[in-house]
This record gives sequence, C-alpha cells and structure tokens, in this order.
Amino acid sequence: EPEVTQTPSHQVTQMGQEVILRCVPISNHLYFYWYRQILGQKVEFLVSFYNNEISEKSEIFDDQFSVERPDGSNFTLKIRSTKLEDSAMYFCASSPGLAGPHEQYFGPGTRLTVT
Amino acid sequence: AQTVTQSQPEMSVQEAETVTLSCTYDTSENNYYLFWYKQPPSRQMILVIRQEAYKQQNATENRFSVNFQKAAKSFSLKISDSQLGDTAMYFCAFMTSGNTPLVFGKGTRLSVIA
Repeated sequence: EPEVTQTPSHQVTQMGQEVILRCVPISNHLYFYWYRQILGQKVEFLVSFYNNEISEKSEIFDDQFSVERPDGSNFTLKIRSTKLEDSAMYFCASSPGLAGPHEQYFGPGTRLTVT
Repeated sequence: AQTVTQSQPEMSVQEAETVTLSCTYDTSENNYYLFWYKQPPSRQMILVIRQEAYKQQNATENRFSVNFQKAAKSFSLKISDSQLGDTAMYFCAFMTSGNTPLVFGKGTRLSVIA
C-alpha cells in the first residue's frame, strides 16, 4: 500500500541553524501539508501546498519557514534559523484532491530537536 | 473559527471491553468531514475512521464505530472488543471541506489493560 515517507526520522540541530525536512507524498496525490506537534500538545497545521504554490498557511508559518516541491516527488519544509521552540514532531501529509473522501495520509514524522 | 474539544485527557479500558471516546466541535458550516486518528507510541498518525456530515448513517470500521450527532455537534468513537494494540493517543479532527487543513482536538490517551 502506498505511504507517505519522511526523512530524517530524527534531526538534532543547534539554535540558529537551517534545517530541511523532507517528505515523499503518495505519488498520485495533489495536496500536501505540514503539521507539527510539540511534545504533549495537539497537532497544529502549518501549511498546505497545491499546484506548486502555498494554498493556505497558519500564523505559525512565518518568514522563517518555507516549503518547496523541487521535483516530482519530494516536498520539503525549510526552517531558516531554528529556535528552541521549533523543537517538535513534524508531520507531512498528502491527500488525493479533486473528488473523494479527502482524507489525509500522514507520514511517520520527523522529530526535530533544537539545542 | 472551528474548534474541536476532547474532554477526556485519559481513559482506560479492560481488554475485550468497550470504550467510548468523546469529541465535540464547533462550526457554522453545514458540510464538513470528521475523523478519528490514532497515534501509537511510534507517533505515526493513523486514520481510524471518517464521517461525512451529509451522511446520516454512522460510520463503522470493524471494531470501530462512531456516534455522529450533527445537531449536538458531537462525534464520539466507540471501540468494541478492545485490544492491547489499541493503546494510543486518539485525536478527533475536523475539516471544513475537501483539502482544507485538519483541526485537531487535544487528544485522549487510551490505555487498554490486560
């Protein structure tokens, strides 16, 4: 069964460094998302992406964040200058788009630790 | 703005018993989608069950079923014949329309006890 994959599974970085989190959505899906979950808290939406552009973003997704689909398979989240409060689990998700049940399929997550 | 409330931070159930997790939501929309996601200790988010608001029939998936009360804006999850593998965080989530972001509740930590 097709699945969303994410790399790395765990990333440790120093405050102020740039990180890139990578995701490979399910191949025929059209919508892509990033969510984050700070330890012990609920899952929060960051950004959605469709047709090679951001379709929606939350207040969390400020100028330090960017997303890109550099090729036909990868979907990346970049944090330019990490802060301690960026430590969280980051989930990528994709959905088929168009008609259908619209359910979002999640990857296993990347645990980001900022020291 | 839409909100999702899960009023039970933690619950436990004996193996083979039935447990119901509560979820309420607030929206002014008439058409929307509701979901329950399971997050085991591995922390992967797994879709358990979904419900379209326009459907009156409650969704079922094997041992999992929902009680969807649209007027009350309630969407509870019933797990029958609980198994040890059901131990996880369960998140209720709401989507206004296709491909919009999911809004999650704070989750209910369910422990299944042998």
